[in-house]
Amino acid sequence: AQSVAQPEDQVNVAEGNPLTVKCTYSVSGNPYLFWYVQYPNRGLQFLLKYITGDNLVKGSYGFEAEFNKSQTSFHLKKPSALVSDSALYFCAVRDTVLTGGGNKLTFGTGTQLKVEL
Amino acid sequence: NAGVTQTPKFRVLKTGQSMTLLCAQDMNHEYMYWYRQDPGMGLRLIHYSVGEGTTAKGEVPDGYNVSRLKKQNFLLGLESAAPSQTSVYFCASSYSNIPYNEQFFGPGTRLTVL
Repeated sequence: AQSVAQPEDQVNVAEGNPLTVKCTYSVSGNPYLFWYVQYPNRGLQFLLKYITGDNLVKGSYGFEAEFNKSQTSFHLKKPSALVSDSALYFCAVRDTVLTGGGNKLTFGTGTQLKVEL
Repeated sequence: NAGVTQTPKFRVLKTGQSMTLLCAQDMNHEYMYWYRQDPGMGLRLIHYSVGEGTTAKGEVPDGYNVSRLKKQNFLLGLESAAPSQTSVYFCASSYSNIPYNEQFFGPGTRLTVL
């Protein structure tokens, strides 16, 4: 079975400071990992994904994520937070050993990011 | 391209009533999904489809039915609504059989069952 955990319900950061939103995962094989962002009253938007190769993945809006296989983590990062980054962030995983099943993703419970002036 | 669209945006039902949520995508995606989002629980997969005419159960299928008569449309039905089905429902779609393709989400339908 595949699972993902986001240990923090909320993260507060001052604008201009670096931010990190944590994600850990569990899979049988190797993972495909994703980050999505949800702004209020909107659907989820894709930010970035890890497939294979370089452990540092760059995505939209200046976000990046670091894949760490030994720690089974895929933390989302940004060097300098903006107030407009305030949103709900979801990590998701798919196990590469799964076959069929519609490429189902398992989502974390989400982390609310609040960036303040 | 409109991407993924959902109708209606909001709906209030009484217990026992039925309704259908419509999802449409114009990206020629093979795979489509219905999720529900509840506070503190993230997104949970209700049903999904890997192509026109196919459907399959997800994590929380009870109380819901789906149909995929046309490739671009995926319908979610509630035959007899219950207060436990109060939630925000999201439809998503993705390209076929490439497991690392991202899913594209609609704007959501907020359903309240009284």
